[in-house]
Amino acid sequence: TQLLEQSPQFLSIQEGENLTVYCNSSSVFSSLQWYRQEPGEGPVLLVTVVTGGEVKKLKRLTFQFGDARKDSSLHITAAQPGDTGLYLCAGEAPGRDDKIIFGKGTRLHILP
Amino acid sequence: NAGVTQTPKFRILKIGQSMTLQCAQDMNHNYMYWYRQDPGMGLKLIYYSVGAGITDKGEVPNGYNVSRSTTEDFPLRLELAAPSQTSVYFCASSVSPIVRGYHGELFFGEGSRLTVL
Repeated sequence: TQLLEQSPQFLSIQEGENLTVYCNSSSVFSSLQWYRQEPGEGPVLLVTVVTGGEVKKLKRLTFQFGDARKDSSLHITAAQPGDTGLYLCAGEAPGRDDKIIFGKGTRLHILP
Repeated sequence: NAGVTQTPKFRILKIGQSMTLQCAQDMNHNYMYWYRQDPGMGLKLIYYSVGAGITDKGEVPNGYNVSRSTTEDFPLRLELAAPSQTSVYFCASSVSPIVRGYHGELFFGEGSRLTVL
């Protein structure tokens, strides 16, 4: 059973388009993190969302945490080839046993 | 700061061999983790540690062992390697999530690619 479900699994779009990827769970998370991973490298933290309804912006990337803290979204405006990568959401597993678990990720490819 | 350093970067093992993946961090983080990443499967937690002398199982611990004798080091041992252990292994560390202002954000090494033939 996957606690964090990410969709879509794959996304290929043209440079300049907008896109949204999702991270959903049936469980409540105290916070969720978003990472980007490029080929041959480890994931790198982009942002942490903590408060239900919170919106955080990182240049052209907008992250939102659902009001019930069960889901999150990542919206990219005017996608660039440099945005290509695997986007992973992660959070502390319910039960507060200190495990950080990951979704399967969304593999994003931006075509020039 | 070097951050999180993993060695080796690449290794090929024969079935039944054993080896240790090394992980060291110089950020004085209490929490350390080992994940494996299979194609299309995201990251699965193998073992984690909340401090020296304390380790606990993650989602997929079978076939692996860990130890944490110092804050800096968290080696992962594979006993009797099997083809199913072919994967990319990532070590990560974090500040304790209970520290005010932190939520367990992870710093990752570059990974160790292991092939078992």
